[in-house]
Amino acid sequence: QVQLVQSGAEVKKPGASVKVSCKASGYTFTRSYIHWVRQAPGQGLEWMGIINPSGGSTDYAQKFQGRVTMTSATSTSTVYMELSSLRSEDTAMYYCGRGGSHVGPYSIDYWGQGTLVTVSS
Amino acid sequence: DIQMTQSPSSLSASVGDRVTITCQASQDITNCLNWYQQKPGKAPKLLIYDASNLETGVPSRFSGSGSGTDFTFTISSLQPEDIATYYCQHHDNLPLTFGGGTKVEIK
Repeated sequence: QVQLVQSGAEVKKPGASVKVSCKASGYTFTRSYIHWVRQAPGQGLEWMGIINPSGGSTDYAQKFQGRVTMTSATSTSTVYMELSSLRSEDTAMYYCGRGGSHVGPYSIDYWGQGTLVTVSS
Repeated sequence: DIQMTQSPSSLSASVGDRVTITCQASQDITNCLNWYQQKPGKAPKLLIYDASNLETGVPSRFSGSGSGTDFTFTISSLQPEDIATYYCQHHDNLPLTFGGGTKVEIK
């Protein structure tokens, strides 16, 4: 079965960077895009960007341009999302999600369990 | 960017009631509209894709309709396990955007 398993919770100081991993299993890794979506406490869902694990091409939301980097490692079926210059407003749950096969690449049919990133001095 | 306006932001209904949520896109997105369910402390779950297609394994009491800019999500008979926040999301192009969410509670 399809699974996306994310790395554990992080606590970072303002100005630092965080790198979250998302390990995929149960399907052919290079055949589906991976999205990153975040959710601040008590708030809605915010799309951050997408990566094509086959080749590594990316597309980021303008809000995160220059601060986010998404990469993939096909040898381990893992995608990474690094966010730099962290500020308190970046405190959120970060989710990875698979761009669906039958539902289309821009629809997210499987989600990771989420990684809580807390930014605090 | 396409803006998604979802209403209401919250609602309270009784078990067995019909529940309707609307989502409006800022421009024509044909049928490129998904609906997700998010229970507290959990990741979202895809319920409806392409405006009206039920994702595999999702109960038939959930349905979606609409095209262009106006969309509707319906729970035909609200069940206690449907307590959650529901989000619409367009997938017409990048960047993807979500509606603000509708929190559904039991009266």
